Amino acid sequence: AQKVTQAQTEISVVEKEDVTLDCVYETRDTTYYLFWYKQPPSGELVFLIRRNSFDEQNEISGRYSWNFQKSTSSFNFTITASQVVDSAVYFCALSEADNFNKFYFGSGTKLNVKP
Amino acid sequence: DAGVTQSPTHLIKTRGQQVTLRCSPKSGHDTVSWYQQALGQGPQFIFQYYEEEERQRGNFPDRFSGHQFPNYSSELNVNALLLGDSALYLCASSLVAWGSPLHFGNGTRLTVT
Repeated sequence: AQKVTQAQTEISVVEKEDVTLDCVYETRDTTYYLFWYKQPPSGELVFLIRRNSFDEQNEISGRYSWNFQKSTSSFNFTITASQVVDSAVYFCALSEADNFNKFYFGSGTKLNVKP
Repeated sequence: DAGVTQSPTHLIKTRGQQVTLRCSPKSGHDTVSWYQQALGQGPQFIFQYYEEEERQRGNFPDRFSGHQFPNYSSELNVNALLLGDSALYLCASSLVAWGSPLHFGNGTRLTVT
């Protein structure tokens, strides 16, 4: 079974629109970390944020915000006032305490921001 | 502050051949992980090295092997290449502490013909 599901394969928006990328995870561990990464066409995955399972506070960083809800096993990512430079593939990932050497990645959501 | 560097950038091999990919971790990092990313998919964990030992392995056959050197750099070797091994191979470095984010290189694009 997929541990991390990103149901949105591809999303297209026009610049300045807000967009939310969904991430649903599955784990039996009570202790885990969740991550978001951005992969531009260059190929390098860029770390954006991590969230510990004990910290359900939402976080805002500039135009980016993250909503973590343990009740629904979701860790969604919102970009406000999107820009063309936000175009990339975004990955959600899970690291469990019992197996922390291994990151489980979702299949990614490709975001296209059009001018 | 140098990030994770991988070489080569691209590689074309024939079925049955062997390949070696190289990775230098981000300065200060002691752990190296390798991931395989097929087209349109998320990265899949191959294995992780720490203190020159393989600490954990994903669901990959023994044809995939690796090594970590005293300077923390690492190699990924793949023997008896199959067409299905064509993918982007990503190296990631981190600290050994749980929760430490992975820092990735640009990857090596391997094409097997």
